Amino acid sequence: GQNIDQPTEMTATEGAIVQINCTYQTSGFNGLFWYQQHAGEAPTFLSYNVLDGLEEKGRFSSFLSRSKGYSYLLLKELQMKDSASYLCAVRDNSGYSTLTFGKGTMLLVSP
Amino acid sequence: ETGVTQTPRHLVMGMTNKKSLKCEQHLGHNAMYWYKQSAKKPLELMFVYSLEERVENNSVPSRFSPECPNSSHLFLHLHTLQPEDSALYLCASSQVLWGEQGSRGYTFGSGTRLTVV
Repeated sequence: GQNIDQPTEMTATEGAIVQINCTYQTSGFNGLFWYQQHAGEAPTFLSYNVLDGLEEKGRFSSFLSRSKGYSYLLLKELQMKDSASYLCAVRDNSGYSTLTFGKGTMLLVSP
Repeated sequence: ETGVTQTPRHLVMGMTNKKSLKCEQHLGHNAMYWYKQSAKKPLELMFVYSLEERVENNSVPSRFSPECPNSSHLFLHLHTLQPEDSALYLCASSQVLWGEQGSRGYTFGSGTRLTVV
């Protein structure tokens, strides 16, 4: 099975940098995903890590350490529109590689 | 039209009603999923269909009945639901190749907000 932990809520100010952590314990690992979900909307893909290290994509970066079962999502130059829930998800290595999600971290960006 | 489309966006139903949720994907993906999202809980996988065949059923009560008539359409038939079934129901699709998914994982629909009264 999978167990995924991430903080419930975080707050930050516009223009700042915020790091959202995710730890996981899995019986099989085949990649870690971060999704963004605004209230009442579909989750949208942000990043994917399968090897250790940092993946950078514009203002967003994601880091993975497989030996530690740890990932983080780094958001730079925060904007008001970044207020959303951020979902950490782990893909297993079963035949259909389903995703197991954490509870999500609600980020509130204030002026 | 592109992406994953779910209808209706909102649904209120009584415990004795029968209703269906619909999901349609225009991405050419070969796998589709139903997830349930309740407040303060992680997304819970309900059903997985690959090539129109159900490959996973996560101990979901029989009052939820999925149907996948073709690779583009997925339904969730609902009957005699309970108030605790009120939640956001999300459909997703992906392209599974030899047991691996593409690096983007799932594409989600906007969900159906279900309220059982």
